[in-house]
Amino acid sequence: DSGVTQTPKHLITATGQRVTLRCSPRSGDLSVYWYQQSLDQGLQFLIQYYNGEERAKGNILERFSAQQFPDLHSELNLSSLELGDSALYFCASSTGQGGTLAGGIGELFFGEGSRLTVL
Amino acid sequence: AQSVTQLGSHVSVSEGALVLLRCNYSSSVPPYLFWYVQYPNQGLQLLLKYTSAATLVKGINGFEAEFKKSETSFHLTKPSAHMSDAAEYFCAVSALNSNSGYALNFGKGTSLLVTP
Repeated sequence: DSGVTQTPKHLITATGQRVTLRCSPRSGDLSVYWYQQSLDQGLQFLIQYYNGEERAKGNILERFSAQQFPDLHSELNLSSLELGDSALYFCASSTGQGGTLAGGIGELFFGEGSRLTVL
Repeated sequence: AQSVTQLGSHVSVSEGALVLLRCNYSSSVPPYLFWYVQYPNQGLQLLLKYTSAATLVKGINGFEAEFKKSETSFHLTKPSAHMSDAAEYFCAVSALNSNSGYALNFGKGTSLLVTP
């Protein structure tokens, strides 16, 4: 058990709909990362928040958005869903703010993921 | 941009045989490299990490990896495979993304099959 909790574990919805995925980081971790895992693209970094503020952005579509709340849990909002959005969405947390040029990045602790199926 | 390439999407070994999973990196700065393992229906778990201290890094479950700058490689090995090692393995590099933030960039993964 990594200590990172993601809900829901499974979600089935239709094209055009909107869903929200939730992540609770490990106790004490200030950073939350969102990743998308699909068969064709592999693990793609979407976005990172540190203590409520956006810190890094990867290949996140404009239809997707995220936020981190004062209690440090995070939500990933996916809207206008398309078939291609079907994937496993992982949340990860870490203690630090995401590294520096000299310090690199610390260990990420991953949740078990939320599997989204868009029909 | 920093990236990693994993050679071989599927590797099959016999129980007790050497495990070798290949990873090559591309980085314009000294890289921070990681190996993660993903068991079925689970999240990713850190096996080991290289952060420029020792070039030979030992991880959990008997795995180790050697950083070779001349070859830009960070291959994962285990002397003797167990059935329980069957999983998906990911190599990753700490990478600078937009907004000057860092995240891990992962390879496509290698699925390890262990046969009796």
